[in-house]
Amino acid sequence: DARVTQTPRHKVTEMGQEVTMRCQPILGHNTVFWYRQTMMQGLELLAYFRNRAPLDDSGMPKDRFSAEMPDATLATLKIQPSEPRDSAVYFCASAQIGERTEAFFGQGTRLTVV
Amino acid sequence: KQEVTQIPAALSVPEGENLVLNCSFTDSAIYNLQWFRQDPGKGLTSLLLIQSSQREQTSGRLNASLDKSSGRSTLYIAASQPGDSATYLCAVANAGGTSYGKLTFGQGTILTVHP
Repeated sequence: DARVTQTPRHKVTEMGQEVTMRCQPILGHNTVFWYRQTMMQGLELLAYFRNRAPLDDSGMPKDRFSAEMPDATLATLKIQPSEPRDSAVYFCASAQIGERTEAFFGQGTRLTVV
Repeated sequence: KQEVTQIPAALSVPEGENLVLNCSFTDSAIYNLQWFRQDPGKGLTSLLLIQSSQREQTSGRLNASLDKSSGRSTLYIAASQPGDSATYLCAVANAGGTSYGKLTFGQGTILTVHP
């Protein structure tokens, strides 16, 4: 059963701490997205990768956020230092760009910064 | 910059009604359009995918149409049930250039179907 896996599912941390969220995309998918969801803003694209190369990270606060794909099976989103306004649900999605490009989402990481 | 709008923001209907959710987008240069469902506290589940060359897709009681030239899509739900209660999100994938495949979401329609 192919699915996108995100860890951790929940994270509570103190302001100023580093947070790392991980995503395992569906095997064979060449595109990975990171989204943030809040009640006020809805789903915002933070960054996305194709064949592990970053294509667009304009939605990401560069001073504290970073996204990487160390290999084809792992994408990471890091926040350092974290702030209360970063509290949100962070979703990873993957897709195979081609004849039928359908995006599949993970269950999300619910981040609370206190 | 692609912008996606969904109307209405919320909808409450009695069980059994047929209903229509609307999605509009500003840039017609899209690769495809996807409708998702999100239950509270959960991730997004893909419902229907319409390629830019297609006019509609059907899955069970769901039918989605696409009019790319006018920048509109509708999701039709037949004979609604309480289990259909969720947030429905529309997303378009950009065509061309480095933004190829980039997904832009609407704000969603919160649907409540009451018994």
